[in-house]
Amino acid sequence: QKEVEQNSGPLSVPEGAIASLNCTYSDRGSQSFFWYRQYSGKSPELIMSIYSNGDKEDGRFTAQLNKASQYVSLLIRDSQPSDSATYLCAVNTGFQKLVFGTGTRLLVSP
Amino acid sequence: SAVISQKPSRDICQRGTSLTIQCQVDSQVTMMFWYRQQPGQSLTLIATANQGSEATYESGFVIDKFPISRPNLTFSTLTVSNMSPEDSSIYLCSVEDRALYGYTFGSGTRLTVV
Repeated sequence: QKEVEQNSGPLSVPEGAIASLNCTYSDRGSQSFFWYRQYSGKSPELIMSIYSNGDKEDGRFTAQLNKASQYVSLLIRDSQPSDSATYLCAVNTGFQKLVFGTGTRLLVSP
Repeated sequence: SAVISQKPSRDICQRGTSLTIQCQVDSQVTMMFWYRQQPGQSLTLIATANQGSEATYESGFVIDKFPISRPNLTFSTLTVSNMSPEDSSIYLCSVEDRALYGYTFGSGTRLTVV
């Protein structure tokens, strides 16, 4: 069974700090990886996608992919209270089928 | 980026009845995806809907329980049939959004079965 694993948290960080969210996946053939943010009662919102090994930066967000180790991470710099949400890691295991992790709840305290 | 209109946003239904959820996309897409998010859980893919062919269901989901229609490239419906309280979940549709290099979700349908 293809799995995506995340620490459920909560991960608590003070405002202005760096939040580091991690995700591991089991299907070595996976090609594309996504981070979604989900506020309570809302649908998931795409933050980042990453397809190649290494880092990809977009504003305060950096996604990191290591296919050899089968992990993908998301760094949030200068964390804000508005970043408090559940962050879902999703992996495309083929034929555009996304497998989601259970999510990490992030709490940013003022 | 793609905009998906999903309705209803929420409903409370009696057990044994059926509910049809609609998703309308503002652009033509080949595949539409239907997910379920049970309370406190992550998203699980129910099925993939292609226009002009039968939907492809994931393990644990069957057509009799979750019939799907895909009459054109911008619209799809998911029906939750013969509902029981265990079907209480959020149901979401999704499409590939090439402008975002990812997948966009509709706003979701929060279903409560009593």
